[in-house]
Amino acid sequence: AQSVTQLDSHVSVSEGTPVLLRCNYSSSYSPSLFWYVQHPNKGLQLLLKYTSAATLVKGINGFEAEFKKSETSFHLTKPSAHMSDAAEYFCVVGFSGGYNKLIFGAGTRLAVHP
Amino acid sequence: DAMVIQNPRYQVTQFGKPVTLSCSQTLNHNVMYWYQQKSSQAPKLLFHYYDKDFNNEADTPDNFQSRRPNTSFCFLDIRSPGLGDAAMYLCATSSGRIETQYFGPGTRLLVL
Repeated sequence: AQSVTQLDSHVSVSEGTPVLLRCNYSSSYSPSLFWYVQHPNKGLQLLLKYTSAATLVKGINGFEAEFKKSETSFHLTKPSAHMSDAAEYFCVVGFSGGYNKLIFGAGTRLAVHP
Repeated sequence: DAMVIQNPRYQVTQFGKPVTLSCSQTLNHNVMYWYQQKSSQAPKLLFHYYDKDFNNEADTPDNFQSRRPNTSFCFLDIRSPGLGDAAMYLCATSSGRIETQYFGPGTRLLVL
């Protein structure tokens, strides 16, 4: 069965320190992989998308994610957190092969402290 | 340049009084989605249109209906809102079912 797991519901970092938000998926098919960010009372904004052209994907605002097929992971990272990064982050996986839907992870709330 | 527009941004309705939320897009995408998102939860897909083909999620209550009169517009109708329907409603569009989805800013519904 297809599923998406975000391993941390809350992550707290200090401004200027690295960010790691973890995402694992299970699927029998090659997935499409996305990270979205949602600021309070706003819609979801695409951070990045894995397109199979490269395993390391660079997104907006300094974020990047690495696709590791052997680990079925797509973790999101940023070298240095900024206060404006505080938001909810969703790992989203698209499964083909008949399912043809995007599945959302439960989300990770990122807090950034001065 | 707004690509997915939702109106209104905030909607207050009374218990049991029908309400309609609207979504429009300038992307000419085939697929339009409606999600319900409650506080601190992931968006929950209610249904989607692939062109004129309507696809309902199995657990979407009958109280929720949708219309897509043309490519650009899609409406969410809540026939008899209950207190539990208070949520953020998100519209999204994409060029295909597992392609990037582009979200509108959402409509926050309050049921009194």
